[in-house]
Amino acid sequence: AQSVTQLDSHVSVSEGTPVLLRCNYSSSYSPSLFWYVQHPNKGLQLLLKYTSAATLVKGINGFEAEFKKSETSFHLTKPSAHMSDAAEYFCVTNTGGFKTIFGAGTRLFVKA
Amino acid sequence: GAGVSQSPRYKVAKRGQDVALRCDPISGHVSLFWYQQALGQGPEFLTYFQNEAQLDKSGLPSDRFFAERPEGSVSTLKIQRTQQEDSAVYLCASSLRTGGRDTEAFFGQGTRLTVV
Repeated sequence: AQSVTQLDSHVSVSEGTPVLLRCNYSSSYSPSLFWYVQHPNKGLQLLLKYTSAATLVKGINGFEAEFKKSETSFHLTKPSAHMSDAAEYFCVTNTGGFKTIFGAGTRLFVKA
Repeated sequence: GAGVSQSPRYKVAKRGQDVALRCDPISGHVSLFWYQQALGQGPEFLTYFQNEAQLDKSGLPSDRFFAERPEGSVSTLKIQRTQQEDSAVYLCASSLRTGGRDTEAFFGQGTRLTVV
């Protein structure tokens, strides 16, 4: 069965330093993978998606993620954190039909 | 509006009360999803509609949960005889296509249900 595992429930970085949010996936075939961000009292917003084209995917707000089949990973990165990046981030996979499976989420804290 | 709209934003229900949660998807979106997000957890799939047809309801936790989308647009999630464990944020999402590998879903802000 397909699943995603977010390896950290909380990540804390200082403003201006790199961000790394880790996600491993489990799938019997090439998966579709997404990263969503959830700000307090706001709806989930798509950051980026991987659908078997380029392995390095660029998203909004300077975020990017790299699909690594050998490591079954799809980690989210950003070179320099901004205070406005503080939010909950979800790694998500699609079963290829319509059922979307969310990871448990990683809360990102950004210190001034 | 341009996005997915859910109402009410907040609902407090007494245990045993029935509630109805509404979702207005983006106009023209074929697919509609409901998710339940417990505090501190990721959203969990409840059910999926393609137009008015409910193609998957495998995530509904009990027969107290019922969803409909009679005209293929607005959807209602109904919970009968609410229990404390039903307290969660209920998210609705819609997408333009009928599924597939790169289908992007657009989410509403959710309805926070608290059962007291």
